[in-house]
Amino acid sequence: ETGVTQSPTHLIKTRGQQVTLRCSSQSGHNTVSWYQQALGQGPQFIFQYYREEENGRGNFPPRFSGLQFPNYSSELNVNALELDDSALYLCASSTPLLGYNEQFFGPGTRLTVL
Amino acid sequence: GESVGLHLPTLSVQEGDNSIINCAYSNSASDYFIWYKQESGKGPQFIIDIRSNMDKRQGQRVTVLLNKTVKHLSLQIAATQPGDSAVYFCAETPFRGNTPLVFGKGTRLSVIA
Repeated sequence: ETGVTQSPTHLIKTRGQQVTLRCSSQSGHNTVSWYQQALGQGPQFIFQYYREEENGRGNFPPRFSGLQFPNYSSELNVNALELDDSALYLCASSTPLLGYNEQFFGPGTRLTVL
Repeated sequence: GESVGLHLPTLSVQEGDNSIINCAYSNSASDYFIWYKQESGKGPQFIIDIRSNMDKRQGQRVTVLLNKTVKHLSLQIAATQPGDSAVYFCAETPFRGNTPLVFGKGTRLSVIA
């Protein structure tokens, strides 16, 4: 069984640029949730994708967008990057077929905005 | 969740002692609670979970206690080891469904050898 993977592990961007982060869900999981974790804080929910549709969104502006593909992998896109977007971006996969809401996290992508 | 800035609460314990990490949750509708361990530069790692129909659950060297009256969780680690040094988060969510996790304030555990 393959766990949740994310790419890239680190990247550095400048203000105003755009970035795409990728996540492959655990085998058999059809739901991907994205979280932003600023330094010294707990993860904050960005949005969730279930069967290729957005299935809930946290308090993040529209310049945070996403996609989910037929193989359930997912992308997080951030436009017009701001300094405060510097954070660890985590994805977590889950499946309602498990019967309960256990989420499995990937290692994260560390984004630095200069 | 509430911002705690750059200064996480810190708990320092001697190797071999027991550790107790506390967490307050906010949503009375949450009926599933999870403790995660996060090491530097890594994603959160599942430690133990508990449903709201229980008040105690034990794992290997870890115990979670749930007090629904005061909306409080605790994580007890027995015989704390240097490898237990990490940041610990509690998270709450409804047990069923695809709802997001709401994370509490983390606690940094430092084990003194």
